[in-house]
Amino acid sequence: AQSVTQPDIHITVSEGASLELRCNYSYGATPYLFWYVQSPGQGLQLLLKYFSGDTLVQGIKGFEAEFKRSQSSFNLRKPSVHWSDAAEYFCAVVRTGGGNKLTFGTGTQLKVEL
Amino acid sequence: KAGVTQTPRYLIKTRGQQVTLSCSPISGHRSVSWYQQTPGQGLQFLFEYFSETQRNKGNFPGRFSGRQFSNSRSEMNVSTLELGDSALYLCASSFGNSGNTIYFGEGSWLTVV
Repeated sequence: AQSVTQPDIHITVSEGASLELRCNYSYGATPYLFWYVQSPGQGLQLLLKYFSGDTLVQGIKGFEAEFKRSQSSFNLRKPSVHWSDAAEYFCAVVRTGGGNKLTFGTGTQLKVEL
Repeated sequence: KAGVTQTPRYLIKTRGQQVTLSCSPISGHRSVSWYQQTPGQGLQFLFEYFSETQRNKGNFPGRFSGRQFSNSRSEMNVSTLELGDSALYLCASSFGNSGNTIYFGEGSWLTVV
């Protein structure tokens, strides 16, 4: 069965510092890859997605992610974090040909220190 | 255009009761999926409907059911509620069969007392 690993449960960064959130997936073929963000009490907002093509994808709010097939990774990055980025971040995958069923990682809670 | 709309946003039910949650997908989207989010189990897939047919189903008991109407709106029902059913229920919509962007609603917060 496919799985998604987000090894960091909590991350704290200072405002203005760079950020990298890790995501690894386990699946035989390259799945469709997503990053979502969730603020307290809210639903999930899509940050970016990778289906194919250029392995560096740009998203909203200044986020980007790089797909590395050899490492089965899809890490999320931001060069300079803002206090409003404090939230929980979820990496998710959809098996190609598997409809729209998302398998989520456990999430990374980001805290931003002012 | 409007996003994914879920109603009600908040509700409190008593053990043993049943509940129905509603989801209106983005206009033109034919796929609707449901997820349960709890602190202990995280985000878990319940089921997916595409053009009124259940296409995928997660590992939940039969008390959890859903359906999709011809206008793509979807409902999920939980019967004989248990305390452990307290959760945020999220609906997601997507345009096509697969390989499409998946958008989420704000969720329905269910508390079972």
